[in-house]
Amino acid sequence: DAGVTQSPTHLIKTRGQQVTLRCSPISGHKSVSWYQQVLGQGPQFIFQYYEKEERGRGNFPDRFSARQFPNYSSELNVNALLLGDSALYLCASSLEVSLVSGNTIYFGEGSWLTVV
Amino acid sequence: SQQGEEDPQALSIQEGENATMNCSYKTSINNLQWYRQNSGRGLVHLILIRSNEREKHSGRLRVTLDTSKKSSSLLITASRAADTASYFCATARLNRDDKIIFGKGTRLHILP
Repeated sequence: DAGVTQSPTHLIKTRGQQVTLRCSPISGHKSVSWYQQVLGQGPQFIFQYYEKEERGRGNFPDRFSARQFPNYSSELNVNALLLGDSALYLCASSLEVSLVSGNTIYFGEGSWLTVV
Repeated sequence: SQQGEEDPQALSIQEGENATMNCSYKTSINNLQWYRQNSGRGLVHLILIRSNEREKHSGRLRVTLDTSKKSSSLLITASRAADTASYFCATARLNRDDKIIFGKGTRLHILP
């Protein structure tokens, strides 16, 4: 079975531009969550979606938005890019909605975003 | 904000030796998880320990949890070159919003 897949793997954007990152969860997983990982730091929670509804949001500005489609794939959008948005963006999927109950969360390989 | 803090930030050991990484956290937790990340890639779940457990094993991995000290340790025995990676602890907080919080990680380098 395919794991969590993300696209694109690498991209370079200019300040002020907008970017869309895509994620396909493991088949059967209805929960998708997004994380931002700045170089040298641990991942920071951005969003969680379950059954197409937002279930959690981290401490990120409104420039960050996401959605989940009927097939449970997801997109993360970032508007008005800043240099500080340069990071590895990780998508993770899980079978259950709770992220804290201990059910295993599976991560994709990430999308490297560089803002210049 | 970071809930967990790994210690040390970086660790280099000879192949075959044991590697120990520590994680301290600030608030009461439901569970604590350890993840591995190879350079610039996705995270791989290694092991989960619940707040009512004190020790868990998985292959060459041993995790301990001391809730009174709000700390956990990850021991990798008989290290191999393939163990070179960053290791993160992630905590799920008790009665709080439904998200897990990662520490900054320990970068482990296994020397041949």
